[in-house]
Amino acid sequence: EVQLVESGGGLVQPGGSLRLSCAASGFTFATYAMSWVRQAPGKGLEWVATIIYSGGVTYSADSVKGRFTVSRDNSKNTLYLQMNSLRAEDTAIYYCAKAWQQLVNGFDPWGQGTLVTVSS
Amino acid sequence: QSALTQPASVSGSPGQSITISCTGTSSDVGGSNYVSWYQQHPGKAPKLMIYDVSKRPSGVSYRFSGSKSGNTASLTISGLQAEDEADYYCSSYTSARTWVFGGGTKLTVL
Repeated sequence: EVQLVESGGGLVQPGGSLRLSCAASGFTFATYAMSWVRQAPGKGLEWVATIIYSGGVTYSADSVKGRFTVSRDNSKNTLYLQMNSLRAEDTAIYYCAKAWQQLVNGFDPWGQGTLVTVSS
Repeated sequence: QSALTQPASVSGSPGQSITISCTGTSSDVGGSNYVSWYQQHPGKAPKLMIYDVSKRPSGVSYRFSGSKSGNTASLTISGLQAEDEADYYCSSYTSARTWVFGGGTKLTVL
């Protein structure tokens, strides 16, 4: 069974940093693209970043470009999101998700999410 | 990248059919074969229901179907059941090599 378990969320002050992790199991992690998607409280889904299977190419939303960095360690089956210069509007549940079949055709499954709260 | 446009809410009675629209542009929905739909129950993670515009993952009920015409994609749920009550989101891969979601639609089963 495919499992994705996020961790690392919490309360951080504006301007601070946080690193999220997503531990994967149940599939060959090194052969799939992985993504981060967030959901602000009571709001819709927002794509954040995607990294290809090898880690050699990443894509990110304009709203986080230059502040967030997605990376992966295929030897540890783990996906990361380094978040710097955090703002109040970054407050959200952050989900990691596996590429459905290819890089581009969907996200599934998703982890249970980890809550990031940016507040003083 | 602006969010795709979905109706805020739709409703239907058990057994009826409903359709949720998802409108974008030629840079996303209109120019992409990679439109997907997600179901999210309260407090739960999203679940993939449709990918590649109209394909269903194994395990997803045949009552769910997807289509696209021009810049608008649609999700149709036939034979509505109480368990279908949830939020639904569309998503599209874009020409800028990014992904964009719709604002979400709350489905109420009356």
